Amino acid sequence: DVKVTQSSRYLVKRTGEKVFLECVQDMDHENMFWYRQDPGLGLRLIYFSYDVKMKEKGDIPEGYSVSREKKERFSLILESASTNQTSMYLCASSLQVWNTEAFFGQGTRLTVV
Amino acid sequence: DQQVKQNSPSLSVQEGRISILNCDYTNSMFDYFLWYKKYPAEGPTFLISISSIKDKNEDGRFTVFLNKSAKHLSLHIVPSQPGDSAVYFCAALAGGTSYGKLTFGQGTILTVHP
Repeated sequence: DVKVTQSSRYLVKRTGEKVFLECVQDMDHENMFWYRQDPGLGLRLIYFSYDVKMKEKGDIPEGYSVSREKKERFSLILESASTNQTSMYLCASSLQVWNTEAFFGQGTRLTVV
Repeated sequence: DQQVKQNSPSLSVQEGRISILNCDYTNSMFDYFLWYKKYPAEGPTFLISISSIKDKNEDGRFTVFLNKSAKHLSLHIVPSQPGDSAVYFCAALAGGTSYGKLTFGQGTILTVHP
């Protein structure tokens, strides 16, 4: 079974802090993604990566950066956390083949106070 | 712009009846469509998918229908069970060099009453 593991289920951080969200997948997937889920807005893509050290902006990259130093690990960084970044963050991975599903981690509920 | 839309925020059905969840899309480049199910405080799990070369795909109680000309797809759950109560997300994928980047709808909260 594909396993995508996010380092924390719940996080509470203060405004202005630098926040790291870690994601690891164990199925040798080339693609990895960070989404955030907000009520009424669905899942919105923040950043994705299709190879080690490669990254592409998604639909809402402002205020975020990412790092992919190893194939299995994809990190999301909030440079200076703000209250509007309070959300559920979801990491996903997929194979780089035509038309396949993405597998998601369990999510990190981040609250910025 | 919202390229994938689920216009019904919620749906309530009785156990044993049919649940129909709808999804519309605007991007003609989408050629693969997926449905995910999500429980609170968990990540989405893949449910069923359909390629644009088909108009129907069935897996047990779940059937997805695709109407390309109308840019519309629907998920049918028959019979509905209380354990099906969750948020359902429609997602779409454009082939080529999209690198598997899924575009999601807003989600529909399904409640199945015993």
